[in-house]
Amino acid sequence: DTAVSQTPKYLVTQMGNDKSIKCEQNLGHDTMYWYKQDSKKFLKIMFSYNNKELIINETVPNRFSPKSPDKAHLNLHINSLELGDSAVYFCASSQDPLPYEQYFGPGTRLTVT
Amino acid sequence: EDKVVQSPLSLVVHEGDTVTLNCSYEVTNFRSLLWYKQEKKAPTFLFMLTSSGIEKKSGRLSSILDKKELSSILNITATQTGDSAIYLCNAGGTSYGKLTFGQGTILTVHP
Repeated sequence: DTAVSQTPKYLVTQMGNDKSIKCEQNLGHDTMYWYKQDSKKFLKIMFSYNNKELIINETVPNRFSPKSPDKAHLNLHINSLELGDSAVYFCASSQDPLPYEQYFGPGTRLTVT
Repeated sequence: EDKVVQSPLSLVVHEGDTVTLNCSYEVTNFRSLLWYKQEKKAPTFLFMLTSSGIEKKSGRLSSILDKKELSSILNITATQTGDSAIYLCNAGGTSYGKLTFGQGTILTVHP
């Protein structure tokens, strides 16, 4: 069973388009995250949700809008895609909103052309 | 703003060597430091160190937290080619949901 799953795994799109990435975890965790990993492999937190409530928004452009319909899902919608949005996006979950072991999804490689 | 710095950024060794990776942190109300290994896909958890658990060991990997120096080391003894990966360190305090990652150390182990 996959603990944290993301779809799609690859996404190639043109500038200006709107796209969504879905994330689901079956671990029963209360906290979920979105991270962006750039070409230099630097992993930067974007959003944290605890029990469907946003708890961290790390100065991400408002073109990025997370949505958590329930504790097991955290989706990421991106409007008006830009070249600089090209990266790998990881979803993660953890048992605790305080610093704790995180389980990462396989990542979504987004390429904006 | 919280800050986590890892060194070296990259390291190339031969099988059998011992390596030490460093992670220093500046985190408000520090609570935990975690190490992850990232091979081709997602990071996977290695260790979590806190004020009450400053040393962890699993097989050839071990990690120590130095609360005075605000740093941690990850040691890998008798390295194998399968240890080739990016090693990530992150740290957080008492703010919910906030974790800061370091830049990572790219370890390459040659046969």
